[in-house]
Amino acid sequence: GQNIDQPTEMTATEGAIVQINCTYQTSGFNGLFWYQQHAGEAPTFLSYNVLDGLEEKGRFSSFLSRSKGYSYLLLKELQMKDSASYLCAVRITGSARQLTFGSGTQLTVLP
Amino acid sequence: EPEVTQTPSHQVTQMGQEVILRCVPISNHLYFYWYRQILGQKVEFLVSFYNNEISEKSEIFDDQFSVERPDGSNFTLKIRSTKLEDSAMYFCASSDGGANTGELFFGEGSRLTVL
Repeated sequence: GQNIDQPTEMTATEGAIVQINCTYQTSGFNGLFWYQQHAGEAPTFLSYNVLDGLEEKGRFSSFLSRSKGYSYLLLKELQMKDSASYLCAVRITGSARQLTFGSGTQLTVLP
Repeated sequence: EPEVTQTPSHQVTQMGQEVILRCVPISNHLYFYWYRQILGQKVEFLVSFYNNEISEKSEIFDDQFSVERPDGSNFTLKIRSTKLEDSAMYFCASSDGGANTGELFFGEGSRLTVL
């Protein structure tokens, strides 16, 4: 089966940096995605890694280590609007390109 | 910016009734998906659709579920006889299949409440 683990909740302060970790054990791997989901809304795409290393996109960066089955999402200069659930998702080799999601990490940004 | 649209945004139905949820994927996308999210739980894959047929389906997608692409734009999910446990947010998504990252674009969801 597929197993994707992330912390359930995290709290950080406005202006700070937070790192959300994700570990995965899947039967094949063809990319890791991070999505943001505000309460009652659709997931929106944040980042994609398929090779090892760091991908930077403005205040958001995502890192992947395929050998360790590990990724993290780094959020810098936190803003109140970053309070949301952050979903780690894996695309599995041979699948019809669908994503398998972790349970999400609920991030609360405090003033 | 192109987007996935879903209707209805919210549907309330009685147990045992049939429900059809509708989606209009992004026009040049090739892969279509339905996911569901029970309140407070994770986003779960139901079914993927490519080239006018189901590509993959999960264990959740049993005989009471069906999908259809009746014309060139709509993509529907039918639940034949709803159960209480079908109450969830249903998300439609589409993808270009990897021309770039192949990320999934999600619609705003249809909230189904079964009474």
